[in-house]
Amino acid sequence: EVQLVESGGGLVQPGGSLRLSCSASGFTFSSYAMHWVRQAPGKGLEYVSAISSNGGSTYYADSVKGRFTISRDNSKNTLYLQMSSLRAEDTAVYYCVKAGSSSGYYFDYWGQGTLVTVSS
Amino acid sequence: SYVLTQPPSVSVAPGKTARITCGGNNIGSKSVHWYQQKPGQAPVLVIYYDSDRPSGIPERFSGSNSGNTATLTISRVEAGDEADYYCQVWDSSSDVVFGGGTKLTVL
Repeated sequence: EVQLVESGGGLVQPGGSLRLSCSASGFTFSSYAMHWVRQAPGKGLEYVSAISSNGGSTYYADSVKGRFTISRDNSKNTLYLQMSSLRAEDTAVYYCVKAGSSSGYYFDYWGQGTLVTVSS
Repeated sequence: SYVLTQPPSVSVAPGKTARITCGGNNIGSKSVHWYQQKPGQAPVLVIYYDSDRPSGIPERFSGSNSGNTATLTISRVEAGDEADYYCQVWDSSSDVVFGGGTKLTVL
């Protein structure tokens, strides 16, 4: 059974930093690209970042470029999102998401999400 | 940037058919994926590559895509289908794009 378990969310002041982790199990983690998708309270889904299966390629939405860093440790089956210079508009539930296939840009498994609140 | 447009809400009586649209410029040339999100839960993939269903998703869920509109069709709607539904595509200029979401209400 595929499981994605996020952790690391919480309350942080504007300008602060936070690192999210996503522990994966039930599939060959090193074979799949992984993604982060967020959802602000009461709002829709927003694509945040992606990393290729070997970590050699990354993507960031314009809204987080230069502030967020995605990484992965295939030996630990873990995905990370380092967030810095946080803003109020970064407040959201952050989902760790598995790519549906090696070439498809769809998401077949989602974690339960971790809430990040940016507020003073 | 590529934009996907969904109606904010759709209402349907139990046992009837619900159709949720997703509009985009020449969306028929792209692969469309659909997600269901119930309150307080993570999204669940219900349709991928326009019309494929993941294992465990009822046959009542189907999808189509042509021209400027993709459609998620839910037949014989049940109370448990009440949720938000999001369409999603990959675009070469915008990368992953989600529609704004449609709230399905079962009357």
